[in-house]
Amino acid sequence: AQTVTQSQPEMSVQEAETVTLSCTYDTSESDYYLFWYKQPPSRQMILVIRQEAYKQQNATENRFSVNFQKAAKSFSLKISDSQLGDAAMYFCAYRSASYLTSGTYKYIFGTGTRLKVLA
Amino acid sequence: NAGVTQTPKFQVLKTGQSMTLQCAQDMNHEYMSWYRQDPGMGLRLIHYSVGAGITDQGEVPNGYNVSRSTTEDFPLRLLSAAPSQTSVYFCASSLSTYSGNTIYFGEGSWLTVV
Repeated sequence: AQTVTQSQPEMSVQEAETVTLSCTYDTSESDYYLFWYKQPPSRQMILVIRQEAYKQQNATENRFSVNFQKAAKSFSLKISDSQLGDAAMYFCAYRSASYLTSGTYKYIFGTGTRLKVLA
Repeated sequence: NAGVTQTPKFQVLKTGQSMTLQCAQDMNHEYMSWYRQDPGMGLRLIHYSVGAGITDQGEVPNGYNVSRSTTEDFPLRLLSAAPSQTSVYFCASSLSTYSGNTIYFGEGSWLTVV
């Protein structure tokens, strides 16, 4: 069974600086998708960035980028030029690309990292 | 841009009561699902549906029922509420079961069972 681990329950970053949130996962599959979701105090879950496992190039969305290390099963999120609005809970998520191997279409979420941004 | 709409946002139930959390999406999404979020446990899948008339269990289905009579609606029923069901519930949808599709979440429903 696949698992997702976020080992940092809480992180802090100074405004305008860079922070990296860690995520590791375990799977025997070769094809899958990885996601980072942001959950601000409003509780709305917002997609931050997505990575396809078959792509070697790291995904980037404006100030957000990932460091995807497939062999190490690591998927960290880097936030550059941190802003006060980045303060939120961040969830790493995994989804199998194949229903036949996973038996489900479910997303597997980590337990989250709470990011605080200090002014 | 309604997206995924959940009601109610907040609910307090007494042990043994039943209730339904409503979820509707207006994006013609095939795939809909219910998650619960508990402290320190991330989001766990309760039930999901890959289309109208088709539902299946997730990892924590006990105590919950779902149905999918239309593409738009996916209600979650608590049959006999227990304090262990105190949680935040999220409905989510995506265009299809294709794993690369973005999943859209509702705003969450806070349920307290006393």
